Amino acid sequence: QTVVTQEPSLTVSPGETVTLTCASNTGAVTSGYSPNWFQQKPGQAPRTLIYGTSIKHSWTPGRFSGSLLGGKAALTLSGVQPEDEAEYYCLLHYGGAAVFGGGTQLTVL
Amino acid sequence: EVQLVESGGGLVKPGGSLRLSCVVSGFTLSNAWMTWVRQAPGKGLEWVGRIKSKTDGGTTDYAAPVEGRFTISRDDPKTTLYLQMNSLKTEDTAVYYCTAFSLGVWGQGTLVTVSS
Repeated sequence: QTVVTQEPSLTVSPGETVTLTCASNTGAVTSGYSPNWFQQKPGQAPRTLIYGTSIKHSWTPGRFSGSLLGGKAALTLSGVQPEDEAEYYCLLHYGGAAVFGGGTQLTVL
Repeated sequence: EVQLVESGGGLVKPGGSLRLSCVVSGFTLSNAWMTWVRQAPGKGLEWVGRIKSKTDGGTTDYAAPVEGRFTISRDDPKTTLYLQMNSLKTEDTAVYYCTAFSLGVWGQGTLVTVSS
């Protein structure tokens, strides 16, 4: 069974930089897994931030960036804002299927 | 404006069936890979399945928990994506979203409750 793992929770202060990661139990995450990152706030549908590892949509704030880091997919927020408090999910593609990570609850204090 | 609107959710008994619809606008449905994602109450996102664009063969793939019970289809003239759900189980209770990952757009979701 394919498992995608994220940090369950992270806490950061406004203005700081934080990196969320996304690991696969099948081995190192590469661009071939086409990592996607999503943000979800309570009571709302998810919003896509990043696709294809590092490509942003027009609505993605510039402080969000995607990359590969140490065999994992990574989402970095540079200069966190209070409105960034949310649940963040990654998604990896495995040929004929895709798997979400369990999500990271980001708290901004 | 690109938009996805789901409908068809509701209360159904275990073993029953339900068909969800997702009406799209602002883009050509046949050209997009479309995905269904669900979220059980208080839980994370779960990939349910997808249908490829016509030019990529229009084939479907499903997550193991729904394989053989759920079917994704598409009516391009009606610009509507469907999720036919049969043999429903209590663990299928969730909000179901349709999404086009390549466009980054999601519907608002429709709640499916499977309970006796």
